[in-house]
Amino acid sequence: DGGITQSPKYLFRKEGQNVTLSCEQNLNHDAMYWYRQDPGQGLRLIYYSQIVNDFQKGDIAEGYSVSREKKESFPLTVTSAQKNPTAFYLCASRSDGQGVHEQYFGPGTRLTVT
Amino acid sequence: GESVGLHLPTLSVQEGDNSIINCAYSNSASDYFIWYKQESGKGPQFIIDIRSNMDKRQGQRVTVLLNKTVKHLSLQIAATQPGDSAVYFCAESRNSGNTPLVFGKGTRLSVIA
Repeated sequence: DGGITQSPKYLFRKEGQNVTLSCEQNLNHDAMYWYRQDPGQGLRLIYYSQIVNDFQKGDIAEGYSVSREKKESFPLTVTSAQKNPTAFYLCASRSDGQGVHEQYFGPGTRLTVT
Repeated sequence: GESVGLHLPTLSVQEGDNSIINCAYSNSASDYFIWYKQESGKGPQFIIDIRSNMDKRQGQRVTVLLNKTVKHLSLQIAATQPGDSAVYFCAESRNSGNTPLVFGKGTRLSVIA
């Protein structure tokens, strides 16, 4: 999991509530990403940020929001507008320096909404 | 659109044998490919990557082969061990990895002791 931390590991919420998932990295990486993973499925991109104070929508951004106020932090808010929020959420980061740099993942947060 | 897929959803291999996990990609503009291993309940772990200017790259017990002609990628694991049991994902990207990775659905590797 390197220097990427996600908290909490398990999160339970009632339907209709917003919830914020934390992602912090101490790798000095420029780019950060949020993915959603459903059982038996691959990873789908929700949002990503390549620089502080800037972010872009991924393939499934509806019902989610993010902020990137600090290089180390990229929190994800799952809003009540997300129709099926129960999933495993993964944060990742990557250096954007010269050359090719691999992307590293955090340990994930499993969100259950009932 | 972009898509990355896998030929086999599950693979069972005898301990000590070699494993080969295949992956097809559809975007000919992709120039960076990466393999991840994911154990149950954990985040994906980087295994090995390869750029499109290479056909083969080797790591510790792993080899990635890239065939750009047929847009095919494979991960070979030598002397498969029980600890190799996991789901393996391939992913592709453009601009040397600067565009977001596109992931396939994954292949589950089960090692039979």
